[in-house]
Amino acid sequence: KQEVTQIPAALSVPEGENLVLNCSFTDSAIYNLQWFRQDPGKGLTSLLLIQSSQREQTSGRLNASLDKSSGRSTLYIAASQPGDSATYLCAVNRNSGYALNFGKGTSLLVTP
Amino acid sequence: GAVVSQHPSRVICKSGTSVKIECRSLDFQATTMFWYRQFPKKSLMLMATSNEGSKATYEQGVEKDKFLINHASLTLSTLTVTSAHPEDSSFYICSAGLAGVVRETQYFGPGTRLLVL
Repeated sequence: KQEVTQIPAALSVPEGENLVLNCSFTDSAIYNLQWFRQDPGKGLTSLLLIQSSQREQTSGRLNASLDKSSGRSTLYIAASQPGDSATYLCAVNRNSGYALNFGKGTSLLVTP
Repeated sequence: GAVVSQHPSRVICKSGTSVKIECRSLDFQATTMFWYRQFPKKSLMLMATSNEGSKATYEQGVEKDKFLINHASLTLSTLTVTSAHPEDSSFYICSAGLAGVVRETQYFGPGTRLLVL
């Protein structure tokens, strides 16, 4: 059974800092991995999707890496802003057409 | 991009009543929709996989008679919480994938907050 773990559970940083969120998964046989953002009481916003054959994806100040063999992914946020404050969820997909396995998320607070 | 809506966004009901939540893909057809539940400060847990025109597949521990899922068309799936109890209070989120395409991602609805008194 796939287990997805995210570390840290919570993180508080001052504005402008670069930060890294970690995600690990127990079964390396994945189809893809996604990072989502969830604001309080809201749904999910997809940030980055990495296919199993890829090593990283970038979008603006966000960079996600994937090391499938070791079961790890990181989300790097550069020059953090207060608007980045949210919960960040990592999810893996074992195959196309299957549901996602989510981690518990990292709650990020960026202080002005 | 693909848009998924959910209705209602928030519902409060009395214990023992039934509540129906709709999940619609607005600009694409979805052969498969997924229903997730999220408890406070917890992750999303898959409840069931809904395929258009067939019975839903429920995850272990999810009561199919309590959480009725109907996927009658390629754009609509419904989740009915029957005889709701306070412990059913949660955030319910659906997701949908593109029909006829090797799906690389799922599109999530905005979620429905259910509070059972």
